[in-house]
This record gives sequence, structure tokens and C-alpha cells, in this order.
Amino acid sequence: GAGVSQSPSNKVTEKGKDVELRCDPISGHTALYWYRQSLGQGLEFLIYFQGNSAPDKSGLPSDRFSAERTGGSVSTLTIQRTQQEDSAVYLCASSSSDYGYTFGSGTRLTVV
Amino acid sequence: AQKVTQAQTEISVVEKEDVTLDCVYETRDTTYYLFWYKQPPSGELVFLIRRNSFDEQNEISGRYSWNFQKSTSSFNFTITASQVVDSAVYFCALSEARRGYSTLTFGKGTMLLVSP
Repeated sequence: GAGVSQSPSNKVTEKGKDVELRCDPISGHTALYWYRQSLGQGLEFLIYFQGNSAPDKSGLPSDRFSAERTGGSVSTLTIQRTQQEDSAVYLCASSSSDYGYTFGSGTRLTVV
Repeated sequence: AQKVTQAQTEISVVEKEDVTLDCVYETRDTTYYLFWYKQPPSGELVFLIRRNSFDEQNEISGRYSWNFQKSTSSFNFTITASQVVDSAVYFCALSEARRGYSTLTFGKGTMLLVSP
């Protein structure tokens, strides 16, 4: 597609439920990043995928968070047993080089 | 560790005023990139500029200009003759090299409100 597409745009979930957030990167972009934007915390790096290499998961805040990227394209970020502190905007970005990023509009997650 | 500081949390100006957004960074890397992004109410992060650490030339693009000073570790952004459409949150970011690729370290952002 023309840009990075994320779905859903908004998600409200009950505490303790699992959620899946989806990212469709720009076609041909080999690198895919997930960031989290929380009030008072700014933008934090979560995870990075590059081609078929093992992902860099060093930014994931806990083992309740996981992500996968199928076929080198679409990525899903899963949060298990959601907590209220998981409420944030989750942003996905893709890149064709190390220093050029295109961000999606994000998924606003609210845990009630 | 790398750090980006945007000391101004919120700035309010009247249309046509000039406004400068400050950004100060810390890094031990000798090679790095600096970025500015704009986040309008729609939420998407819009890329504005990327600057290589070896290139200290200032840059002007229309009403936007950037002043990169390595001596003070600053990368300030000026909007000339601001417009209401410039209202957004602006983020400064620094690339962090990890195993041959880069993640971005962001500042906490400056919210710019331009009123008519």
C-alpha cells in the first residue's frame, strides 16, 4: 500500500483480556518496528524485525508482550492479560534503510 | 545511553509569529542521525528532516529551518510565519545503532498551538 496501515485504530479491552494489534508495512520495506507512545513516557522502542533475521525484542516491557511477522510482511503485536498500564498508542513503522522510517497512524489501546 | 531532551512541553503562538523548538541530545556515538517528526491530531508521525552528524550545515525548507550545532549538542527547529496548520506535537529523535541497524530515541515532544 501507499503507507503503513495499522488496525484497529482504536481498541478498548477489559483488564486481563488478550489483544492483537496489526501492522501492514509499505510493500518492499524489509524493516519493521513497533513503538509505544504513553502519556508521560514519550515514544518507546518495543521490537524490530529485519527480513528473516531473529527479531530484536529488547524493548518489550514484559513477557506478556510478543510479536511476529509473517512472510516478511504483516506483523502482529500481541499483549496477553492486559493491564491498565498497557494503555497507550502503539505505533508501527517500516523502513527500506536504516535511517528512513514511515510510521502508521497507530492503534490507541485503552484497558478498562 | 542516548538521550533527547525537549525542554519545552508546550508553546502557544499567534499566527504569523516565528517559533523555535529546542532539542538537545546526548550520545557517545561519533556517527548518528537526528530527526524531527510532526504528529498532528490524526496521530501519524510525519517525517520532516534527517540530519547526519557529519553535516552541520543549516537547512531551510520553505517556512522550516533547522540549526544543528554539534558543539552544543543541539538541533533546533524554527517555523517562520507560523500557521494554524502547524499546530501539532513535534518530536526530535536520535538514531541509536544496534547491531548494525537503528532504533530511534525520542524526546518527549513539544506541543505547538498556533492560534488565528
